[in-house]
Amino acid sequence: GQQVMQIPQYQHVQEGEDFTTYCNSSTTLSNIQWYKQRPGGHPVFLIQLVKSGEVKKQKRLTFQFGEAKKNSSLHITATQTTDVGTYFCAGPSQGGSEKLVFGKGTKLTVNP
Amino acid sequence: GAGVSQSPRYKVAKRGQDVALRCDPISGHVSLFWYQQALGQGPEFLTYFQNEAQLDKSGLPSDRFFAERPEGSVSTLKIQRTQQEDSAVYLCASSRIGGTTYEQYFGPGTRLTVT
Repeated sequence: GQQVMQIPQYQHVQEGEDFTTYCNSSTTLSNIQWYKQRPGGHPVFLIQLVKSGEVKKQKRLTFQFGEAKKNSSLHITATQTTDVGTYFCAGPSQGGSEKLVFGKGTKLTVNP
Repeated sequence: GAGVSQSPRYKVAKRGQDVALRCDPISGHVSLFWYQQALGQGPEFLTYFQNEAQLDKSGLPSDRFFAERPEGSVSTLKIQRTQQEDSAVYLCASSRIGGTTYEQYFGPGTRLTVT
């Protein structure tokens, strides 16, 4: 079945360092979404990318959607302790359903 | 405005008991989703509704799991004869638009522990 894979599974950085997480789908996606889940919290929507090659920025966060619409990345510049959490990518299931298939996430910890 | 709410937040059940988990979506949201999240994993889709219609239940692990949304608003996920492998956080999410993937607003989840 359709799979969404994320690497790395864990990332530990010093505050101020950059961070990148990568997402790969086994199938072409019509769009991709990113969510952040703080420790003990619930997933919170960050962004949706739709177009091939699209790049969107939110302050220190940069999101990219690959040209083939099968991969995506999230880059955080100069991490802060508030960036701690698990970042998930999610893509729509094949077949036109609204169902989202989530990756296993990248857990980011930041050392102050 | 109010977000998605879920109750109870925590539930401990003895193996074999039935449980019912409630989700109150954001008012006016068309689509409602249930996910199961095991520790250290991403949310796994269980089922979803567009208004009162259950359009996809392909993720329900067994016929012990049942979900309903009779009036197109509040939804209940019922698990019969709970097993230890059912222990997880059950997340509910709602989406304003139906018929396409759109941002989902998650509730705080219900942590189910089966002993």
